[in-house]
Amino acid sequence: QTVVTQEPSFSVSPGGTVTLTCGLRSGSVSSGHFPSWYQQTPGQAPRKLIYKTNIRSSGVPDRFSGSIFGNKAALTITGAQADDESDYFCMLSVGNDIFEFGGGTKLTVL
Amino acid sequence: EVQLVESGGDLVQPGGSLRLSCAASGFTFSEYWMGWVRQTPGKGLVWVSRISPDGGKTSHADSVRGRLTISRDNAKNTLFLQMKSLRAEDTAVYHCVRENWYGFDQWGQGILVSVAS
Repeated sequence: QTVVTQEPSFSVSPGGTVTLTCGLRSGSVSSGHFPSWYQQTPGQAPRKLIYKTNIRSSGVPDRFSGSIFGNKAALTITGAQADDESDYFCMLSVGNDIFEFGGGTKLTVL
Repeated sequence: EVQLVESGGDLVQPGGSLRLSCAASGFTFSEYWMGWVRQTPGKGLVWVSRISPDGGKTSHADSVRGRLTISRDNAKNTLFLQMKSLRAEDTAVYHCVRENWYGFDQWGQGILVSVAS
């Protein structure tokens, strides 16, 4: 089984910039894995932020951006706001029509 | 407005069976890949399965293959997940999802499946 890795937690100051990453236990992430990113607040269904590495979903503020950073996918939040405090999950297409989520990153804004 | 509404969740004994349904509305159901994602309370997301628009192609996570089976009825705009040989580790909230460009752009609120004796 492929394992997708994410930082368990991260903190950022209001107005600051933070980059969350999404890697593979074995190998490098590329655009061919079609990385997508989801934001989830307690009690709510996840919301898609980014798909196909760097395309923002409709209505997502432009302070959220996606990229490939080294051998990982990355989600960067520029000018973090209090309501960005959430869990963030990445997902990769890992072959054979299989998807796999990372374990999620709990982002604290303080 | 796009809506995905799951039903069929229940408390079931280990080894038991259950069928989840997802009623879709607000979009042309037959044009989209659909899928299921589950989440253990307080924990992360796990992709379960996906199905092509015409239902002819399916794939499942290794952990559920052979026990959970996805299907759809395009005439009724409904997605299904047939679950058998259920285990305690299948306990989770199951979300119906719409797939778009290798991501899930619409999510149902989820339905709880509990497997316990």
